[in-house]
Amino acid sequence: QKEVEQNSGPLSVPEGAIASLNCTYSDRGSQSFFWYRQYSGKSPELIMSIYSNGDKEDGRFTAQLNKASQYVSLLIRDSQPSDSATYLCAVNRGYGGATNKLIFGTGTLLAVQP
Amino acid sequence: NAGVMQNPRHLVRRRGQEARLRCSPVKGHSHVYWYRQLPEEGLKFMVYLQKENIIDESGMPKERFSAEFPKEGPSILRIQQVVRGDSAAYFCASSRYDSGNTDTQYFGPGTRLTVL
Repeated sequence: QKEVEQNSGPLSVPEGAIASLNCTYSDRGSQSFFWYRQYSGKSPELIMSIYSNGDKEDGRFTAQLNKASQYVSLLIRDSQPSDSATYLCAVNRGYGGATNKLIFGTGTLLAVQP
Repeated sequence: NAGVMQNPRHLVRRRGQEARLRCSPVKGHSHVYWYRQLPEEGLKFMVYLQKENIIDESGMPKERFSAEFPKEGPSILRIQQVVRGDSAAYFCASSRYDSGNTDTQYFGPGTRLTVL
């Protein structure tokens, strides 16, 4: 079992729709969760961070965390063609501890169709 | 407000040569991380450093790879005697870790290493 799992996609949604990206993780001790966006040939760009169960909203983005189910999701409302990218879920197992490394999923490719 | 800076952005080396990748963190950040992204693969953690200390090198290959973050100057990832399998994008990230929820890592533009 991979430590952080994502559906590789591609996830295709029409412009203006809601895109839903999902991620599960295996380490129950994980404390910090992040969504990064990566355009082809570019570096990861932070979209959202979430630390507590529930929803966190920032503009068109909403991150959802359920620690009991070990599940993190990202919703993108009013999807735009410019949102087309690979979305990386990352989990930090080392919060407050001896290390601070991020464990990444392999990413979900999102394609927003105009 | 400069972000994480990496140089060179592209590096070509022949098999057996040395590669040196540099990373300057965001101003005020004292924690540096190196990640590697192989073609068509995900990002893999390599090493976590603070000034003059290696905190976690659990992701570093046992041979040929080393990293440092000196008191002055950028962090350096050094790959000796490169092989074709080292061809990848190498990303540096930095964070301003403290006791709160500020362990967010910000990534630099990456160095794309090609080994001929």
